[in-house]
Amino acid sequence: DQQVKQNSPSLSVQEGRISILNCDYTNSMFDYFLWYKKYPAEGPTFLISISSIKDKNEDGRFTVFLNKSAKHLSLHIVPSQPGDSAVYFCAASVDTGRRALTFGSGTRLQVQP
Amino acid sequence: EPEVTQTPSHQVTQMGQEVILRCVPISNHLYFYWYRQILGQKVEFLVSFYNNEISEKSEIFDDQFSVERPDGSNFTLKIRSTKLEDSAMYFCASSGTSPLHFGNGTRLTVT
Repeated sequence: DQQVKQNSPSLSVQEGRISILNCDYTNSMFDYFLWYKKYPAEGPTFLISISSIKDKNEDGRFTVFLNKSAKHLSLHIVPSQPGDSAVYFCAASVDTGRRALTFGSGTRLQVQP
Repeated sequence: EPEVTQTPSHQVTQMGQEVILRCVPISNHLYFYWYRQILGQKVEFLVSFYNNEISEKSEIFDDQFSVERPDGSNFTLKIRSTKLEDSAMYFCASSGTSPLHFGNGTRLTVT
């Protein structure tokens, strides 16, 4: 089941620079998209979401962009901080996210001081 | 900030045994979920629960699995006869109007 794909298993950036994490999806029924961050030995923590009626949502240092025609979304973190080092999961759902979330395989972000 | 709490953090059991994983969702949330992550694989949806009944379940959630909200605070996942392939991290989650909040998981090891 590859409905949500994160093709980069890892990403390394310098502190203060922009981190860009990418996600692609194949199911055109998805209309709600989320990013979660996960530290070792913890559960996923919600970061930011976007519904399909928007193409951008911003919350502090985090911005999610949605390109529906390309079935692609990205998470931008600016500026990146060492505490952002974690695994980032993209997830998608239909109907505001109360339905089942389909997760990508995750991207491990390492922010170098 | 309110949290979803899961117990135990680690459960070891023998194949064929029954296990019950416990969760206390955030108190004003009405939607409850179980997900699992097999080592090295994606987080996978198992089941959602609303208004005292299952609202959605995946193919993984077969007759060996059941969920229950036995009182006003707990939400449990029971696996009747565990198999080696049930070894995974099991995450409970809850939501209200907000996106899902996850607990820190129970690591289930079936030997």
